[in-house]
Amino acid sequence: GAVVSQHPSWVICKSGTSVKIECRSLDFQATTMFWYRQFPKQSLMLMATSNEGSKATYEQGVEKDKFLINHASLTLSTLTVTSAHPEDSSFYICSGDREGLLVYTFGSGTRLTVV
Amino acid sequence: GENVEQHPSTLSVQEGDSAVIKCTYSDSASNYFPWYKQELGKRPQLIIDIRSNVGEKKDQRIAVTLNKTAKHFSLHITETQPEDSAVYFCAASTGSNYKLTFGKGTLLTVNP
Repeated sequence: GAVVSQHPSWVICKSGTSVKIECRSLDFQATTMFWYRQFPKQSLMLMATSNEGSKATYEQGVEKDKFLINHASLTLSTLTVTSAHPEDSSFYICSGDREGLLVYTFGSGTRLTVV
Repeated sequence: GENVEQHPSTLSVQEGDSAVIKCTYSDSASNYFPWYKQELGKRPQLIIDIRSNVGEKKDQRIAVTLNKTAKHFSLHITETQPEDSAVYFCAASTGSNYKLTFGKGTLLTVNP
């Protein structure tokens, strides 16, 4: 089946530093990659939608200069949390739409802790 | 935009009983309705989905029903087992941008 590999699975960083999270679709072309954030005991909140080769579309309230998304190829999308602060600590998870077929494949998630 | 309401937020059942989780959506253009099971610290796993041209779908102990007129859909789990304990999310998507909007989740606990 379709697999999205997400790395790292967990990361601890200091306030003010940047963290890059990578999602790679291993056996399909992800036309669209969605990035979600999930706080403890809460639902998945969509942060942004990225399409290969174009700028990401951010949801209302999500700072595009803080959460940099790059979707340089049909198999790789990255999320960089810049100047991280403790309130950015969360579970970040990507989901690839398999070639526009409405088949969403989730990565394994990244637990980010900012200290 | 789409708004998905999910109830109940917590559900506790005895092993062998049935569990029902209900969701409503606001956007009549939504046409894809998946259900996900998420265990603590793990990715959501698709357990069943339904598209708007179908009213009901079943896969062993799991079934989903969709009422397009009322804009609601439900997850039914029969003969529940302790390993069914998890958080369940419903979601809705429209074909125009493929975005999934999630409900707030239901914590299901199956007591042995």
